[in-house]
Amino acid sequence: DTGVSQDPRHKITKRGQNVTFRCDPISEHNRLYWYRQTLGQGPEFLTYFQNEAQLEKSRLLSDRFSAERPKGSFSTLEIQRTEQGDSAMYLCASILSGASTDTQYFGPGTRLTVL
Amino acid sequence: AQSVAQPEDQVNVAEGNPLTVKCTYSVSGNPYLFWYVQYPNRGLQFLLKYITGDNLVKGSYGFEAEFNKSQTSFHLKKPSALVSDSALYFCAVREPQRSSNTGKLIFGQGTTLQVKP
Repeated sequence: DTGVSQDPRHKITKRGQNVTFRCDPISEHNRLYWYRQTLGQGPEFLTYFQNEAQLEKSRLLSDRFSAERPKGSFSTLEIQRTEQGDSAMYLCASILSGASTDTQYFGPGTRLTVL
Repeated sequence: AQSVAQPEDQVNVAEGNPLTVKCTYSVSGNPYLFWYVQYPNRGLQFLLKYITGDNLVKGSYGFEAEFNKSQTSFHLKKPSALVSDSALYFCAVREPQRSSNTGKLIFGQGTTLQVKP
């Protein structure tokens, strides 16, 4: 257990539905990252927060995706009008600061299946 | 652009034998390199990292990695493999610290390690 939690662990939904995932980082970690991992691939960066500010979004993050970190603590990732191509593992990671020497600690992930 | 390559999709080794999982990287500037392990339906667990200093880095569960700047490699090693080491291993590089970058990790595609009794 890294101290990063994600909820739910698994989500099955029908195409066109909206889904929301939650990530609770290690307390006092001020940076939070979202990654997406598809089968047979390494995780790919989606977006990140420095405290409550969302500072960058990958081009993988279409306009159907939105992420928030309202109080600089937990974060949510919402996917609207889900598509089958959204099926993946969504991973959250937190890090104490932005220093390159710091380690990102990952949560267990949310596995999304879109039928 | 920075990238990481793991040339082997799968590595098979007998229990008790040494193991090596290969990783090569391409970065501008000094690399910050990481190894993570992923068990089925789980998130990534940090094993070790190279920032600077000794080329041989020791990490969790008896793993170590050797940084080789001339060969741009960061291979993961363990002297004696255990069946419980069977998992998916990822090498990653992080952008050097600058005010304009995200600090995101860039991952290889992963290598499945199979340790047989």
